[in-house]
Amino acid sequence: GAVVSQHPSWVICKSGTSVKIECRSLDFQATTMFWYRQFPKQSLMLMATSNEGSKATYEQGVEKDKFLINHASLTLSTLTVTSAHPEDSSFYICSAPPGDRSPTEAFFGQGTRLTVV
Amino acid sequence: AQSVTQLDSQVPVFEEAPVELRCNYSSSVSVYLFWYVQYPNQGLQLLLKYLSGSTLVKGINGFEAEFNKSQTSFHLRKPSVHISDTAEYFCAVSVYSSASKIIFGSGTRLSIRP
Repeated sequence: GAVVSQHPSWVICKSGTSVKIECRSLDFQATTMFWYRQFPKQSLMLMATSNEGSKATYEQGVEKDKFLINHASLTLSTLTVTSAHPEDSSFYICSAPPGDRSPTEAFFGQGTRLTVV
Repeated sequence: AQSVTQLDSQVPVFEEAPVELRCNYSSSVSVYLFWYVQYPNQGLQLLLKYLSGSTLVKGINGFEAEFNKSQTSFHLRKPSVHISDTAEYFCAVSVYSSASKIIFGSGTRLSIRP
């Protein structure tokens, strides 16, 4: 089946630094990818829709200047958490639809656990 | 807008007992329905999905779910659970026009007791 790879799987960073998370579709092209955030013992909340070649669409309440999304190619979207603070510590997951192969489904990366100290 | 309600945040069950995890959704348009499972510190795995056709959907690991349009429900069931089924389960929906943009419920933690 379609594979979505996320890197890194976990990261610890100091408060005030920036962290980049990568989401790759390994065997299909994805013009759209989605970024979710999951706080401990909570559900996944959609943060933004990443669009190849254009600006990302952010959900209400998500700071676009803090969570920078770049979808530079058909197989790669990146999420950069800028000036990270402890409250940004969370589990971040991306997903991508495999397009024509299965238009009704999205495949998820394995997630990135971010800890800001 | 769409929303998903999972009525139980936690469900404790004895091993080999049956289980039902409840899910109700709200939408003014037709939707696709999903159940995902998340094991600790891992990503999501699709258990099953309802797109159209038969309202009883069978998934992996012996799980099944039934779509009930009149009650706007999509409850997940398994006749006999195993310790390895201990995980977080998420009900989710997406709309036809943007099928890969998935909205999740709050999740139900299934804990299996020996």
